[in-house]
Amino acid sequence: NAGVMQNPRHLVRRRGQEARLRCSPMKGHSHVYWYRQLPEEGLKFMVYLQKENIIDESGMPKERFSAEFPKEGPSILRIQQVVRGDSAAYFCASSPTGGANYGYTFGSGTRLTVV
Amino acid sequence: GENVEQHPSTLSVQEGDSAVIKCTYSDSASNYFPWYKQELGKRPQLIIDIRSNVGEKKDQRIAVTLNKTAKHFSLHITETQPEDSAVYFCAASIPGGFKTIFGAGTRLFVKA
Repeated sequence: NAGVMQNPRHLVRRRGQEARLRCSPMKGHSHVYWYRQLPEEGLKFMVYLQKENIIDESGMPKERFSAEFPKEGPSILRIQQVVRGDSAAYFCASSPTGGANYGYTFGSGTRLTVV
Repeated sequence: GENVEQHPSTLSVQEGDSAVIKCTYSDSASNYFPWYKQELGKRPQLIIDIRSNVGEKKDQRIAVTLNKTAKHFSLHITETQPEDSAVYFCAASIPGGFKTIFGAGTRLFVKA
């Protein structure tokens, strides 16, 4: 089992560009969680998705950010018109069932730098 | 919503000493409390967890305690080693909830 796979590991974007972050869950997992970690800070919940459904996006900014988890393929976190404040590490985790009452296995993260 | 506070933000101990990190939570319905260790530039990794029907749990040199009445839980690391140096996060989640809320982290330095 390859674990939770995220790519790219590092992503550099100029202000105003789009960033696409990918997360492939563990085999057999159909639930994905995205968290953002600003430099020197903790992990902030962004969004929870099941296949083809957004279940909870209460932590995701209303503008410029979107997430999807299609029937086939990885989950995508998309940030449009990036700004310097979007620079952070973005981690995803997956689970076989819904709910948060178990420990997460995180991917290695994508470190986004906006220049 | 749930809020988790964590103290101290930085902790420095001598190798072989014990380290204690404390967290409080706000939602009395929270019933699951994991702890994660994050080394520099790496992913957070689950090291131990505790559920609300248990007051204490131990795994070799690490232990967690939970006081539901006071709504606080703690991580204890005994006989610290330099490789214990990392950032530690506490977290809490409620039954049927879809998200885990993390504390701000404690940066632990173990001096050889």
